[in-house]
Amino acid sequence: NAGVTQTPKFRVLKTGQSMTLLCAQDMNHEYMYWYRQDPGMGLRLIHYSVGEGTTAKGEVPDGYNVSRLKKQNFLLGLESAAPSQTSVYFCASSYLALLGRVDNEQFFGPGTRLTVL
Amino acid sequence: AQTVTQSQPEMSVQEAETVTLSCTYDTSENNYYLFWYKQPPSRQMILVIRQEAYKQQNATENRFSVNFQKAAKSFSLKISDSQLGDTAMYFCAFMTGISNTGNQFYFGTGTSLTVIP
Repeated sequence: NAGVTQTPKFRVLKTGQSMTLLCAQDMNHEYMYWYRQDPGMGLRLIHYSVGEGTTAKGEVPDGYNVSRLKKQNFLLGLESAAPSQTSVYFCASSYLALLGRVDNEQFFGPGTRLTVL
Repeated sequence: AQTVTQSQPEMSVQEAETVTLSCTYDTSENNYYLFWYKQPPSRQMILVIRQEAYKQQNATENRFSVNFQKAAKSFSLKISDSQLGDTAMYFCAFMTGISNTGNQFYFGTGTSLTVIP
């Protein structure tokens, strides 16, 4: 089991460039999430998905788009990168939570450090 | 609004001593899960311990234990016999929306713990 993987691990962009971050999970999880982590602000939810073909906005969705064409993949896109999007991005996945289930937690990828110049 | 508060941005502890990290949360739901995650310098988010809100017994995992006070909405983490490898950022989190199509995770801003040799 690879768990949750993210590509790339590092990226430097110039303002206005676009890119896509790929997240993949092999645990058959229904839910997938994208977070950004900035110093002193913890994890902030960008977008999430409750299943293949569905996405929803989180706390800080502006400037990002997502797609979940396959259950195991969740893509995060930046159409026109801005310096304010310099951050560490984490993907996570989880099962649909059930009372009494012992593995309701989120499983995280290793993160992507993105710098926008 | 569902919130998680970690009021200690930084803490330190001597090796082999005990330290307690505090966390309070706010939710109107009755069924939820609580988690502590550890993020070492490698950036990987690692689950330390979980607690089901419907269980009164406090969870324990080796040197890690929690003090769960549901009425007070408090969920502190105690680390006994602290080791150098415990140096990390610790995030408190809870999950709501169990057994429906909307389970959401909420994270605190983290406590940076340093274990001093």
